[in-house]
Amino acid sequence: DQQVKQNSPSLSVQEGRISILNCDYTNSMFDYFLWYKKYPAEGPTFLISISSIKDKNEDGRFTVFLNKSAKHLSLHIVPSQPGDSAVYFCAASERGNKLVFGAGTILRVKS
Amino acid sequence: DSGVTQTPKHLITATGQRVTLRCSPRSGDLSVYWYQQSLDQGLQFLIQYYNGEERAKGNILERFSAQQFPDLHSELNLSSLELGDSALYFCASSETGRGKLFFGSGTQLSVL
Repeated sequence: DQQVKQNSPSLSVQEGRISILNCDYTNSMFDYFLWYKKYPAEGPTFLISISSIKDKNEDGRFTVFLNKSAKHLSLHIVPSQPGDSAVYFCAASERGNKLVFGAGTILRVKS
Repeated sequence: DSGVTQTPKHLITATGQRVTLRCSPRSGDLSVYWYQQSLDQGLQFLIQYYNGEERAKGNILERFSAQQFPDLHSELNLSSLELGDSALYFCASSETGRGKLFFGSGTQLSVL
């Protein structure tokens, strides 16, 4: 049962443009959502999070949007940079307990 | 550097064998998590410990077991290994057992 889904296995974007990564979830009890970035041969690193009481959270070039009614969240990266090329994982939890991860989206930013 | 240390980085073994993966959490973190990442798969939650006690269990096989020791380091034991157990195993830690996790760089297990 895949509770967190990232339906796009990969995304290719030109440097300087916007990258939009999407994530859908099925468990309506999820109340905390996170995005992680992973480079090859490294563990995932925390990028940005959002609680279900908000619909948007910004941190520099990264913004996460949450649409609770659609059970959908997205990560916007503006402007995209070549160093952003990595695998991005969406994750969700219920009351902060075990994180459930999506399968990941490979982002390639072309210079 | 996340502060989470996993050893070994790579492990090659044969089917039927038993291996132990080790994790040292960030200083001050009481909770340790184990995740498995197989080819083209996301991170599958295996098990969580908090201050020595098992807190949550995910899709962990009966052939696998884990524990967290008084010094808070954790070990994941994998026995009767099968080819399908080949994967990247990540350990993560958090201070309170809730919310943001910090991941180690993983142990790549290859079962031949």
